[in-house]
Amino acid sequence: SQQGEEDPQALSIQEGENATMNCSYKTSINNLQWYRQNSGRGLVHLILIRSNEREKHSGRLRVTLDTSKKSSSLLITASRAADTASYFCATGAGGGGNKLTFGTGTQLKVEL
Amino acid sequence: NAGVMQNPRHLVRRRGQEARLRCSPMKGHSHVYWYRQLPEEGLKFMVYLQKENIIDESGMPKERFSAEFPKEGPSILRIQQVVRGDSAAYFCASSPRSGGARLTGELFFGEGSRLTVL
Repeated sequence: SQQGEEDPQALSIQEGENATMNCSYKTSINNLQWYRQNSGRGLVHLILIRSNEREKHSGRLRVTLDTSKKSSSLLITASRAADTASYFCATGAGGGGNKLTFGTGTQLKVEL
Repeated sequence: NAGVMQNPRHLVRRRGQEARLRCSPMKGHSHVYWYRQLPEEGLKFMVYLQKENIIDESGMPKERFSAEFPKEGPSILRIQQVVRGDSAAYFCASSPRSGGARLTGELFFGEGSRLTVL
């Protein structure tokens, strides 16, 4: 399997519900990031959590990181139809530059 | 405050032709990254460049693919003698100078160039 695998591959929920996506990775990391991609568009950075952090919040987003299990989760609370997109986790090894390794993504569909 | 600019957005080539994809990073960014995305898949790293230097090309196919980031002008990803398997979306991303990159870790992406090989 690849560095950075998201689970589930696809998720369909009703507007107002919470959406939880998980990401597992294999190697040591400096940071883990979540990105969003609308269909046919580029990726947009959502949130970054460093390896020495366990939880981070940004608006309706909550990210957790468990380095002992090499896993992270992204929670979107009170989802909206506009949250419909693909969500990718990406790991950075640190050092010079920002080379990121992306996961396979979770396709989230929020229905009215 | 322009973001990362990629062109063309869509490119159609016949097998055996050459494809050139261009990327202008955000103002003040000196690091450029190219990624490839196949349909329904995540992004695969191809190459990381700074001005006039290739830093990491571990994701580049050994043949037909090349990248450059000259002192002046955009970064270019060049695919020679394209084959149907090269059909994909190619994304460029940029980040600030090394010191800034270590502080933020974030990549800024363009809208991608979608290559279709007939």
